[in-house]
Parts: sequence; C-alpha cells; structure tokens
Amino acid sequence: GAGVSQSPRYKVAKRGQDVALRCDPISGHVSLFWYQQALGQGPEFLTYFQNEAQLDKSGLPSDRFFAERPEGSVSTLKIQRTQQEDSAVYLCASSPRTGYSGNTIYFGEGSWLTVV
Amino acid sequence: DAKTTQPPSMDCAEGRAANLPCNHSTISGNEYVYWYRQIHSQGPQYIIHGLKNNETNEMASLIITEDRKSSTLILPHATLRDTAVYYCIVRIKNTGANSKLTFGKGITLSVRP
Repeated sequence: GAGVSQSPRYKVAKRGQDVALRCDPISGHVSLFWYQQALGQGPEFLTYFQNEAQLDKSGLPSDRFFAERPEGSVSTLKIQRTQQEDSAVYLCASSPRTGYSGNTIYFGEGSWLTVV
Repeated sequence: DAKTTQPPSMDCAEGRAANLPCNHSTISGNEYVYWYRQIHSQGPQYIIHGLKNNETNEMASLIITEDRKSSTLILPHATLRDTAVYYCIVRIKNTGANSKLTFGKGITLSVRP
C-alpha cells in the first residue's frame, strides 16, 4: 500500500487478555518505530527496528510488551496480560533509511486499544 | 535531544496566516527542527523540517532564527482542516542506528470560520 498500515484499527480487550497489533510499513522501508499515545498526550517512543534487528527497546514500559519484525518488513507488537493503563493508541511508523536524520518518518493511523 | 517549548494553544481565522512559535534554546549544531501535526483520530503527519535555512514546501514555511534558538511554522492560508495539534521536534542528525522523534505536548491550533 501507499502508506503505513496498522491493524486492527480498534481493539477492546478484557483485562488479562493478550493482544497483538500488526504494522505493515511502507514497502522497502528499513526503519520501523512503535509509539504509544495516551489520551491528551504526545506519542511516546516504545521501540525501534532496523530491518529485523531490534536496536532500541528502551521505551517498552514492562516485560509484558514485546515487539518483533522477523523478516524485516511486517512488525507485531504484543501485549501480554493487558492492564487498564495499557489503554492507548499504538502508532507504527517507518522511514526509508537509517542514520540520516534528514529522512522523513511516516506514521500509520494507529491501533486504538481499550482495556476493560 | 534538545527539548522544545510551545504555547499550549492558539487560534486564527480561516484564510489568515497561522504562525506557530517554538523555542529550542538548547539546540545543537547537529540537530534538525521538525514539525509534525496530528489531526484528531489520525496518526502524526510530517509537515516540514530544516537545519538552519528557512524552508518552504506545499504545506508550510519554516522560519528558523539565525541563532537557531527558535523557529516559526507558518501556514499561509489556514483552513478549518488545519485544526490539529502541531508538534515542534528537535532531532539529532546522523544518529547511526536510531533517529527517533521525541514528541512533547504540542500546540493545539484552532482555526475558526
């Protein structure tokens, strides 16, 4: 597709359930980012991939959060044993190159997670 | 990354220029200024970026002061669809492995009819 695609767009999970959020980056993009955005706040960095390598996971809030990108394209963010504080929009973003900060990062529309 | 400060909100009349300020007094010589915006229920959208020269594209103009401690995003003819949260972000140049964007709270622009 033309842009970053995320699914599901909306997800309601019961507390304690596991969820998986999918991201299809723009074709050929090397870098992939996940962000979490709570209501009324700016996006917060979670993790970064360069191809299949997860080079930065400093923003993951707990060991219940896990991300992977096994073939260097599609990525999945998994949240185990969801808690109410996990309710947020999860944004995926990609960019074409590494290291050169002049390249643009493109965001998807986000996956809206509500934990009840 | 250097921090940025923006007013929490501003408004402007439809058809007029919207001038959105941003302070980044601790910016380093190897850091870019980026602007993104986020319309309600959508992901952030890239607008423009610059290092030290003023920049213009089809969406906006970016004016960076000579000392690089502040900048202004200009939307020349604001429309109702420009109502959004605008984020001013400073981003390190040539980070190697990680060139993430660090968002603040942004400025909410309301365009009134």
